Amino acid sequence: KNEVEQSPQNLTAQEGEFITINCSYSVGISALHWLQQHPGGGIVSLFMLSSGKKKHGRLIATINIQEKHSSLHITASHPRDSAVYICAVTFGNEKLTFGTGTRLTIIP
Amino acid sequence: EPEVTQTPSHQVTQMGQEVILRCVPISNHLYFYWYRQILGQKVEFLVSFYNNEISEKSEIFDDQFSVERPDGSNFTLKIRSTKLEDSAMYFCASSSGVGYEQYFGPGTRLTVT
Repeated sequence: KNEVEQSPQNLTAQEGEFITINCSYSVGISALHWLQQHPGGGIVSLFMLSSGKKKHGRLIATINIQEKHSSLHITASHPRDSAVYICAVTFGNEKLTFGTGTRLTIIP
Repeated sequence: EPEVTQTPSHQVTQMGQEVILRCVPISNHLYFYWYRQILGQKVEFLVSFYNNEISEKSEIFDDQFSVERPDGSNFTLKIRSTKLEDSAMYFCASSSGVGYEQYFGPGTRLTVT
């Protein structure tokens, strides 16, 4: 079965801290997506990657294909980064298979 | 910036009633999806649609569900006879191709009473 696991489930940190959220998957994938879900429910795509590393502002996503593992990092975290971060993968078809998400809370 | 829109934002319906959830994908996108998220659970795939036909569907997408692209812009999800367990947030998404980023709409919260 194609599984996507995320850790931690919940993460609380002080403003300014460096944040790391992890994602692992069970079988080979064609791409991995990091998504952000706001408290109101809307989902925004942050990154799509199949190898290496991508950076956008304070967000960095990395993937290790051999280890079937990806990380999302947030530098200089801010309360507005508080959201649920979701890892999702595609296994050679179009549909996304989602992880359970990591709820991040940044305290001022 | 182009975006996916969904209407209504919240729909309340009685068990057994039919509902139609509407989505307007990004205009030059060719692939369309419906996902749902039951409160407190992870997002689940329902169906993908390309070239006016379903390309893949999940076990959840049974005979009570149908999708349609009635014109050049709308993409709809119909639930024929709603059940309490259909209560969820329903997300529409679109992409320009397989292996491309998917763009999500804001979701429709469906409450079945």
